[in-house]
Amino acid sequence: GAGVSQSPRYKVAKRGQDVALRCDPISGHVSLFWYQQALGQGPEFLTYFQNEAQLDKSGLPSDRFFAERPEGSVSTLKIQRTQQEDSAVYLCASSLVGPLYGYTFGSGTRLTVV
Amino acid sequence: GQQLNQSPQSMFIQEGEDVSMNCTSSSIFNTWLWYKQDPGEGPVLLIALYKAGELTSNGRLTAQFGITRKDSFLNISASIPSDVGIYFCAGAGGTSYGKLTFGQGTILTVHP
Repeated sequence: GAGVSQSPRYKVAKRGQDVALRCDPISGHVSLFWYQQALGQGPEFLTYFQNEAQLDKSGLPSDRFFAERPEGSVSTLKIQRTQQEDSAVYLCASSLVGPLYGYTFGSGTRLTVV
Repeated sequence: GQQLNQSPQSMFIQEGEDVSMNCTSSSIFNTWLWYKQDPGEGPVLLIALYKAGELTSNGRLTAQFGITRKDSFLNISASIPSDVGIYFCAGAGGTSYGKLTFGQGTILTVHP
């Protein structure tokens, strides 16, 4: 596609539910990133893939957060047993080569945990 | 998590005025990036800076990479209503190659 596509755009989950957020990167982009953006804050790094390899997951806040990119294209961010502090916009970005060039963000998924 | 110190937090200006915002860090970065984010959208890259001291322009936007590698500024000249949005600085480099560290953002409002 022309840009990074994320789905769903909005997700409301009851506390304790599991959620899965999907990211379709720009076709051919090798690098893929997930960020979490709380209201009124800048995005915070969660994890980084190069093809199917997860090279950095240092930003995942707890073991309830899990990301995968099994075939090196589509990625899924899964949050288990959601809590209210997980409410945020989750942004996905992709890059053709390295992480610093042509870093294109999707529109994000707004997760609200009630 | 760590964030860059970005100032000012918000600005209210008249159309046609120039704008300046800056970002400082206690850590050295190898790359500085400036993004603009509109409501309900992801950040869009405006300018990327790769060398200390570098001064780069993109239309009415000018940004500089500080020589200490711990700061950067963004100037917008002759502001127009569509400049409204949130501007973020971001630093990259160091031990985590793929990670961007973002500032808290500057909310820009332009009055016609």
